[in-house]
Amino acid sequence: DIQMTQSPSSVSASVGDRVTITCRASRGISGWLAWYQKKPGKAPKLLLYPASTLQSGVPSRFSGSGSGTDFTLTISSLQPEDFATYYCQQANSFPYNFGRGTKLEIK
Amino acid sequence: QLQLQESGAGLVEPSETLSLTCTISGDSIVSSGHNWGWVRQAPGKGLEWIGSIYHSGSTYYNPSLKSRVTISVDTSKNQVSLKMTSMTAADTAVYLCGRTIRGVVGVFDIWGQGTVVSVSS
Repeated sequence: DIQMTQSPSSVSASVGDRVTITCRASRGISGWLAWYQKKPGKAPKLLLYPASTLQSGVPSRFSGSGSGTDFTLTISSLQPEDFATYYCQQANSFPYNFGRGTKLEIK
Repeated sequence: QLQLQESGAGLVEPSETLSLTCTISGDSIVSSGHNWGWVRQAPGKGLEWIGSIYHSGSTYYNPSLKSRVTISVDTSKNQVSLKMTSMTAADTAVYLCGRTIRGVVGVFDIWGQGTVVSVSS
């Protein structure tokens, strides 16, 4: 199985800050990586798939990059609604494992 | 507008079988060309992909759960079902159904709200 490691596990930031979250795959997955945003009690929201393709309706302040084993999700200017937990997921091979999540908290 | 709604027993006794149904409205399982599937999130834990299914019946399961899981479709009712046997406390979680991106088995772009399942006697 491909293991996904996210860092940091949590981060505190302020509105307007630029934040970067990283995701590392235990072996190469090309660009087959998804990023989700998850808020408590809400369904996950798909932000990007493949690694750098923004899904329809997702604000342009979200961006993704990377290929192979190392990926990043960047939020260019944090908005109040962005405070949530972010998960990466590899879609290269079964099982489609998720990372453990990065909790983005208000400083 | 596409909507997914999970339903089923919220409390399951240890060793029993979980049965959940996802009812899809606003799209046809048969004609959509998408896969459909299930993901869960245990309390305080991350997301776990359970499995996915195409309307033809082709299924894809997480190997860690495969021996206990069956996902099926009822095209006449536009529903996707999940059965999980031999439930334990470790299976307590929010279970979510979702639609995958067309042509991709396990990346979900539309989700239901999720249903809470507790395993307890």
